[in-house]
Amino acid sequence: GAVVSQHPSRVICKSGTSVKIECRSLDFQATTMFWYRQFPKKSLMLMATSNEGSKATYEQGVEKDKFLINHASLTLSTLTVTSAHPEDSSFYICSADTDRPSYNEQFFGPGTRLTVL
Amino acid sequence: GQNIDQPTEMTATEGAIVQINCTYQTSGFNGLFWYQQHAGEAPTFLSYNVLDGLEEKGRFSSFLSRSKGYSYLLLKELQMKDSASYLCAVVWAGGYQKVTFGIGTKLQVIP
Repeated sequence: GAVVSQHPSRVICKSGTSVKIECRSLDFQATTMFWYRQFPKKSLMLMATSNEGSKATYEQGVEKDKFLINHASLTLSTLTVTSAHPEDSSFYICSADTDRPSYNEQFFGPGTRLTVL
Repeated sequence: GQNIDQPTEMTATEGAIVQINCTYQTSGFNGLFWYQQHAGEAPTFLSYNVLDGLEEKGRFSSFLSRSKGYSYLLLKELQMKDSASYLCAVVWAGGYQKVTFGIGTKLQVIP
């Protein structure tokens, strides 16, 4: 149980276009979903936290107008990178939190590798 | 800040034991995760510590000292497949379950 999927797994796009990444919790309802970005040889950096039906909370330095997050349901969150540029090329990973009483483990999706040409 | 410190690289021999340390700021601490991440893949859960002490799970064990702001991950009977990055991640008290990751320790297991 507790499987998180991401789509697409890889995407290559031209500079200036927008890219949408989906994150789904397949067998549980995700109270909260998180979006991370990871550059080569760097750790995961939290970009934003989203809860279903409310606005996302962005970390300092992350442009909310550039990285649009929509948490439409308890099983789906989307991240849209608008007007992508080469410096946005990165590994984007989502994770989902459950409401299990044991502990709040985050379950990670497989990641989406974005390359902006 | 919410500094989390862990060594960037370690090398160990197949069959041996290795300990990966992690230190963190104690203010606001709520719990600590260890994750394993192979190159190009998402992290996978190894352990979660909230209380002081050692928790053992097969070849992997994790230790926590809340007062010292210190944790370690112990890997026994190392296998080549254990070559990966090991991420220490701290859960902070607050409304959301905010987690901050350390830079990760890249472990190389050699024959």
